[in-house]
Amino acid sequence: AQSVTQLDSQVPVFEEAPVELRCNYSSSVSVYLFWYVQYPNQGLQLLLKYLSGSTLVKGINGFEAEFNKSQTSFHLRKPSVHISDTAEYFCAVSPQGGGFQKLVFGTGTRLLVSP
Amino acid sequence: EAGVVQSPRYKIIEKKQPVAFWCNPISGHNTLYWYRQNLGQGPELLIRYENEEAVDDSQLPKDRFSAERLKGVDSTLKIQPAELGDSAVYLCASSFRGPGNTIYFGEGSWLTVV
Repeated sequence: AQSVTQLDSQVPVFEEAPVELRCNYSSSVSVYLFWYVQYPNQGLQLLLKYLSGSTLVKGINGFEAEFNKSQTSFHLRKPSVHISDTAEYFCAVSPQGGGFQKLVFGTGTRLLVSP
Repeated sequence: EAGVVQSPRYKIIEKKQPVAFWCNPISGHNTLYWYRQNLGQGPELLIRYENEEAVDDSQLPKDRFSAERLKGVDSTLKIQPAELGDSAVYLCASSFRGPGNTIYFGEGSWLTVV
């Protein structure tokens, strides 16, 4: 089974400041890793995903994440945030193999960007 | 291209009443998912379909929840009777079959049981 821990339930930050949202996971098998964003009253939108290859993954809206296998982490970063980045961010994992996709989500981190 | 379409967006019902949610996945996606998202939590899988077959429904409370995916396209999730604890957002999603493929989510159906 897999589990995902997002230690920070809320991260306040000022506009144009850098931000890091932390994600750690636990799994007995290799996993794929994902970050989704959820704007108020909307569904989830994929920011980026790690399947294989380079451990630094770039996504939409200037976000990037780095996979660290030894620390079982997949932290999300952005060098300069905008007001419009205010949203809920979810880290998720899915087991490799098995022929199917099954996302297990963390509890989310609310990013609050203020002027 | 249209994304995953869900209806209704919002529903308020009294406890013990039935409710149904409808989902139209992205064209060509053979895998369809229903997730439930409680307030302040991440989504949790209720059921996964491969074409018209429910292949993972271990988290679906079968005493009151049912789902179907006729002809392997649209899907309906039903709750009967609804309980106060069923208040949540019900998210439909779809993807091509196989690990690593992106799962696309609809905007969700927000259920409030009073």
